[in-house]
Amino acid sequence: SYVLTQPPSVSVAPGQTAKITCRGHNIGGRSVHWYQQRPGQAPVLVVYDGTGRPSGIPERFSGSNSGNTATLTIRRVEAADEADFYCQIWDGVSSDHYVFGSGTKVTVL
Amino acid sequence: EVQLLESGGGFVQPGGSLRLSCAASGYMFDKYALGWVRQAPGKGLEWVSSLSASDGNPFYADSVKGRFTISRDDPKNTVHLQMNSLQVEDTAVYYCAKDQYSTPSNFDHWGQGTLVTVSS
Repeated sequence: SYVLTQPPSVSVAPGQTAKITCRGHNIGGRSVHWYQQRPGQAPVLVVYDGTGRPSGIPERFSGSNSGNTATLTIRRVEAADEADFYCQIWDGVSSDHYVFGSGTKVTVL
Repeated sequence: EVQLLESGGGFVQPGGSLRLSCAASGYMFDKYALGWVRQAPGKGLEWVSSLSASDGNPFYADSVKGRFTISRDDPKNTVHLQMNSLQVEDTAVYYCAKDQYSTPSNFDHWGQGTLVTVSS
């Protein structure tokens, strides 16, 4: 089955840029989606189809995808951005499964 | 405004059954796929099951296939998850989530979740 690998944690100072990676075999050929989950809350979609941004999501959040790595970039990080972030794909090729990455805890220093 | 309201969670002994329901509102219910995602205490997100709107096909994670059944009641704008032969490992918050499209892709709206605890 398809596996998505994320780093367990990323630390960033306020005002700086955070990059969260999501590795998967030839992930560059797939639509990748990203979610933010604050403690005690339901996940929120922040990037869809690699680069799309749902209504209400700040432009500071952006996505990119190439080769074996997808990346969620958060610019001008704020304290409120501290959360767990998950990447996700739909694997309609081999399993017909939604696949989530293991999640990355973003800590704002 | 899209709203998803889960119900049916609770405490059950191993081997028991529960039926979760998700009442949806604020959008054309029969046009979008719907699914369930769970999160065990302190763990990450795990997709459980989904139902395509385009052809009605159900999809299941390997961990629940044969034990869980997803269904939808379009006139009532409700999706159900029948969970049988529950195991301790099924303990989690179960989220109902709407797909952005009629076929499986991603989840653009989520409910607040309902807690399922399986324990003896």
